[in-house]
Amino acid sequence: QQQVKQSPQSLIVQKGGISIINCAYENTAFDYFPWYQQFPGKGPALLIAIRPDVSEKKEGRFTISFNKSAKQFSLHIMDSQPGDSATYFCAASTLSGSARQLTFGSGTQLTVLP
Amino acid sequence: DTGVSQDPRHKITKRGQNVTFRCDPISEHNRLYWYRQTLGQGPEFLTYFQNEAQLEKSRLLSDRFSAERPKGSFSTLEIQRTEQGDSAMYLCASARPSTDTQYFGPGTRLTVL
Repeated sequence: QQQVKQSPQSLIVQKGGISIINCAYENTAFDYFPWYQQFPGKGPALLIAIRPDVSEKKEGRFTISFNKSAKQFSLHIMDSQPGDSATYFCAASTLSGSARQLTFGSGTQLTVLP
Repeated sequence: DTGVSQDPRHKITKRGQNVTFRCDPISEHNRLYWYRQTLGQGPEFLTYFQNEAQLEKSRLLSDRFSAERPKGSFSTLEIQRTEQGDSAMYLCASARPSTDTQYFGPGTRLTVL
């Protein structure tokens, strides 16, 4: 059973536009929600993360919006640039013993056109 | 921090062969995770080490898989009797004590022919 659903699967945005990627989760025990960026042939790199005690977190051009009651969170990339073209993964986790296993969404391939 | 490193970056093997991958975490990161990523999907958790102790294992980790972290520093992941379904990117991540941020390595891409 997929615990984190991500949409859309692919997204094409013009340079300067806003990219929005959405995720929904089922497990109410999740308490940490990071977003990762992955370029071809590379490992995922952490972009930004949020905890459910806040509804929004902004770092530069990247903003996470979090809706605890709806069990949804989204990534907004403002002023999207061609260099932002990559695959983006949302993830969620809870502490299981001492381990914090990340459960990832299926990814969104973002293409920013010049 | 020099980052998480993994070796080899690519491995091609024939079905039935054994393969071993190595992960060197960021120094002073006592937490180490292994994930598997298939094409078009997000990474899936395999196993977790805190120092040298393997504390969590996913149901994805069949008996053919074994992981070690003998001195609490680098880790190895071995797959015995490889199958075509094992073809994937194997990712290692590490984290500092008492933090949630996991830093991923570049991965080892395994192709089983």
